[in-house]
Amino acid sequence: SAVISQKPSRDICQRGTSLTIQCQVDSQVTMMFWYRQQPGQSLTLIATANQGSEATYESGFVIDKFPISRPNLTFSTLTVSNMSPEDSSIYLCSVVGGRRSYTFGSGTRLTVV
Amino acid sequence: DAKTTQPNSMESNEEEPVHLPCNHSTISGTDYIHWYRQLPSQGPEYVIHGLTSNVNNRMASLAIAEDRKSSTLILHRATLRDAAVYYCILPYNQGGKLIFGQGTELSVKP
Repeated sequence: SAVISQKPSRDICQRGTSLTIQCQVDSQVTMMFWYRQQPGQSLTLIATANQGSEATYESGFVIDKFPISRPNLTFSTLTVSNMSPEDSSIYLCSVVGGRRSYTFGSGTRLTVV
Repeated sequence: DAKTTQPNSMESNEEEPVHLPCNHSTISGTDYIHWYRQLPSQGPEYVIHGLTSNVNNRMASLAIAEDRKSSTLILHRATLRDAAVYYCILPYNQGGKLIFGQGTELSVKP
């Protein structure tokens, strides 16, 4: 299955600033997914990132707040913009790997102060 | 969209088998049934998936009802490291996206 390197693993940020999270995959993949996991909650899908086209956002998530780049088939970034304490969460990327299984990055634990 | 229903929590004793149920009564013929688990402080990890037949791998077994409206994830001998939240998901019903419900939180007692 695919191996994902996600950076940074954690960060503490000031409110009003932005953080860009990177996911690097060791193989070419068509679809990449970005999730948010708020404290004590399940994962919520933010958007699907396809190479060569705009990301598709789920209800409740907008491009201005969570811009996504997908410059090639092995890399994607998610930016959390104009952060507030409510954005404190774990952010994860995911890809469809071999044999229809999905692989997840180790997550970015974000704290906004 | 087909949805899945799982118990919020289950308990097991170490070394005993665990059967985690999932209902998906509106499943379509092309929906694969996926199971993932999330260990504490980690990202989700793939456990197993199947379409119609029962499936086995080194982690678990997946028993799928004949009408495919329910399935059961079987951990043959639970260990303390199996304590996690287990999610039953039908990704192809969601356009290939994994949409997570609340899952079943499994606790394992020594």
